Amino acid sequence: EIVLTQSPATLSVSPGERATLSCRASQRIDINLAWYQQKPGQAPRLLIYGASTRATGIPAKFSGSGSGTDFTLTISSLQSEDFAVYHCQQYNNWPLTFGGGTKVEIK
Amino acid sequence: QVQLVESGGGVVQPGKSLRLSCAGSGFTFSNYAMHWVRQAPGKGLEWVAVIWYDGTYKYYTNSVKGRFTISRDNSKDTLYLQMNSLRAEDTAVYHCARDPAMVPNNWFGPWGQGTLVTVSS
Repeated sequence: EIVLTQSPATLSVSPGERATLSCRASQRIDINLAWYQQKPGQAPRLLIYGASTRATGIPAKFSGSGSGTDFTLTISSLQSEDFAVYHCQQYNNWPLTFGGGTKVEIK
Repeated sequence: QVQLVESGGGVVQPGKSLRLSCAGSGFTFSNYAMHWVRQAPGKGLEWVAVIWYDGTYKYYTNSVKGRFTISRDNSKDTLYLQMNSLRAEDTAVYHCARDPAMVPNNWFGPWGQGTLVTVSS
């Protein structure tokens, strides 16, 4: 089973600043990685698939990069609606697995 | 608009069974593979199972193999998860989620809000 490690667990960012989230895979997964945003009490929302392709309706402030084992989600100019938990997920191998999540909170 | 609505959750004793349902609307249900993903209270997400658009193939995470069965009724636009021999560690909110394709691409587009399953004596 592929283990995804997200860091940091919590990221404190001031509104207007940029957030950089990391996801590291225990083995190579090419670009078979997705990112999701989850707000309290809500279902996750797909942001990125294929490591860097934004899902329909996702603004350009969200960008993904990486391949192999190291991936990054960057959120530029954070607004109040961006403070949430972000999950990465690999789909290179069965079983599909998620990282533990990064909580982006207001500094 | 695309909607996925889960139902069937509740409190159940260890060893008992429960069947979850997920009703899809706003899209052609039979054109998409479907998944179940769960989230234990205060924990991360865990993929549970996937079923192909026509039900021909199914995959499960190891911890539920032999206990859970995913199925679908395309005539009713509904996805199911039959859960047997439930354990305390199965306690979670169970979400259904739509795959972007008939044959799974294995990321998750629209999600339902989820239904809570609590396994406790």
